[in-house]
Amino acid sequence: DTGVSQDPRHKITKRGQNVTFRCDPISEHNRLYWYRQTLGQGPEFLTYFQNEAQLEKSRLLSDRFSAERPKGSFSTLEIQRTEQGDSAMYLCASSLVFSLADNEQFFGPGTRLTVL
Amino acid sequence: GEDVEQSLFLSVREGDSSVINCTYTDSSSTYLYWYKQEPGAGLQLLTYIFSNMDMKQDQRLTVLLNKKDKHLSLRIADTQTGDSAIYFCAESPPLDSSYKLIFGSGTRLLVRP
Repeated sequence: DTGVSQDPRHKITKRGQNVTFRCDPISEHNRLYWYRQTLGQGPEFLTYFQNEAQLEKSRLLSDRFSAERPKGSFSTLEIQRTEQGDSAMYLCASSLVFSLADNEQFFGPGTRLTVL
Repeated sequence: GEDVEQSLFLSVREGDSSVINCTYTDSSSTYLYWYKQEPGAGLQLLTYIFSNMDMKQDQRLTVLLNKKDKHLSLRIADTQTGDSAIYFCAESPPLDSSYKLIFGSGTRLLVRP
């Protein structure tokens, strides 16, 4: 296992289109996180899964965004009716966490979304 | 509240030491992290420090924590051109069971030959 992978690496779409991103975490990792990073800023938390359960969603995650982790392995993040403000790098991270002391999150390379 | 602040830019000469500073506001944070981001690559965890420690050293990296002032710093000794990247500090609020990371806006380190 070479780490967290994300697909696609780049996505260019027109405003109003739907897009879906995929994240494959490190095998056996029980937690999976989605973050968004805009230019010149640090990543901001969007949502996370404990196994297949989505346990928290940020206020940044409008109702146009939906995330799934159906079998507790890979995850998808879908954005419906994209807007130019959705342009950002979407980062996925995974961790094997039993307590805060284990909280080393491994990040994927990200999917860069550009909405025209 | 949750807010992490960093200076935006640091330029050093190769071989010098670099010191990147960070302030955080959640005094209850128990773990504080330093991540490195290179172009086209994901965030890489460099080191972290537990709040009952004042200092942690890991090869060329030294982390200093001043809990009273809520100040965290990362010192890179003998800085190399390969250290040029964006460095993020992050905290994980301990009362939040998500263990999500709250990041600063990053410090861009430029190492001049």
